[in-house]
Amino acid sequence: EAGVTQFPSHSVIEKGQTVTLRCDPISGHDNLYWYRRVMGKEIKFLLHFVKESKQDESGMPNNRFLAERTGGTYSTLKVQPAELEDSGVYFCASSPSSYEQYFGPGTRLTVT
Amino acid sequence: GQSLEQPSEVTAVEGAIVQINCTYQTSGFYGLSWYQQHDGGAPTFLSYNGLDGLEETGRFSSFLSRSDSYGYLLLQELQMKDSASYFCAVRDQGNKLIFGTGTLLAVQP
Repeated sequence: EAGVTQFPSHSVIEKGQTVTLRCDPISGHDNLYWYRRVMGKEIKFLLHFVKESKQDESGMPNNRFLAERTGGTYSTLKVQPAELEDSGVYFCASSPSSYEQYFGPGTRLTVT
Repeated sequence: GQSLEQPSEVTAVEGAIVQINCTYQTSGFYGLSWYQQHDGGAPTFLSYNGLDGLEETGRFSSFLSRSDSYGYLLLQELQMKDSASYFCAVRDQGNKLIFGTGTLLAVQP
């Protein structure tokens, strides 16, 4: 069974540019989560999809972040325009309906 | 606010037993999970406690006391490959996870 995949693995962009991160969850997992780890800080929740619906987006930092989940399959997280403080590692996780979440390898975003 | 406290670093030798503690203060609580992360890669699920007591999974065990807002991860028969970061995480409403800052475990020969 394929795990959670994320693309790209690394992204370096300039302040003010746009970046789109993609997450492909494990097939059949209805729950999809986005988390972020900023340098030196803990991993923080961003939002939660159940199928294509946003269940909880209380962790989204501001309206420069937009997440979508097309047809309840893969998800994208767009940052527009990117700011320096957006640098960090963005993790995606998927889960069937249990407490166990399966994490992807993350996308390391650097905003210069 | 929400906070989970763990020791920042722990060092132990191969074959030994190590305990990583976690105290939490969160507005919601549905259970405590433990994740392992090697070199900044994908966090990997290790263990979960939804109720008080001890859960054992091979060399790893986890304990929870909800009345004390406290849990720990116990690693036995340490191996070099256990060198990694370990995170406790509170399961909140909707199954979202609230993570601690992580404990870096260094296993020495």
